[in-house]
Amino acid sequence: EVHLLESGGDLVQPGGSLRLSCAASGFTFSSYAMSWVRQAPGKGLEWVSVIGGGGGPTYYAASVKGRFTISRDNSKNTLYLQMGNLRAEDTAVYYCARGASGGWYFFDYWGQGTLVTVSS
Amino acid sequence: QSALTQPPSVSGSPGQSVTISCTGTSSDVGSYIRVSWYQQPPGTAPKLMIYDVNNRPSGVPDRFSGSKSGNTASLTISGLQAEDEADYYCSSYTSSSNGVIFGGGTKLTVL
Repeated sequence: EVHLLESGGDLVQPGGSLRLSCAASGFTFSSYAMSWVRQAPGKGLEWVSVIGGGGGPTYYAASVKGRFTISRDNSKNTLYLQMGNLRAEDTAVYYCARGASGGWYFFDYWGQGTLVTVSS
Repeated sequence: QSALTQPPSVSGSPGQSVTISCTGTSSDVGSYIRVSWYQQPPGTAPKLMIYDVNNRPSGVPDRFSGSKSGNTASLTISGLQAEDEADYYCSSYTSSSNGVIFGGGTKLTVL
């Protein structure tokens, strides 16, 4: 059974940094692209970033480009999101999501999310 | 880039059909079949319901169907059931950022 478990969410001050992790199990992790998708409180979904199964390529939403870095460790079946220069508008639940085998741009499994709050 | 445009809310009675629209541009919905739909009940993670415009993953009831015409995609739910009450989001690949863009979401209420 596919399982995705995010961790690392926390309360952080504006301008601060945070690293999120997503532990994957139940599938061959290195064979799938993985994405981060976020959802601000009471708002809709926003795609953040994607990384290919082998570690590349990587793409980012304009709102986070230059501040966030996506990476993965296939030996640990873990996806990461390094977040820097955080802003209040980055406050959201962050989900990791598996790109389907038929196309990375749709997501067939999601984690339960981890909450990031940016506030002073 | 702005989100895809969805109606904020739709409603229907049990047994009826409802359709949710999703309007984009020639950079996303209009140029690709890479349109998906997700169901999100309150307090839960999204669930994939439709991919590539009109394909259902295993386990999704055939009451859910998708279509596309021009820059607008649609999700139709027939034979509405109380359990269908949730937020629904469309998404599409976009060449603008080589990424994915979501709609603003539609709240479905089953009366």
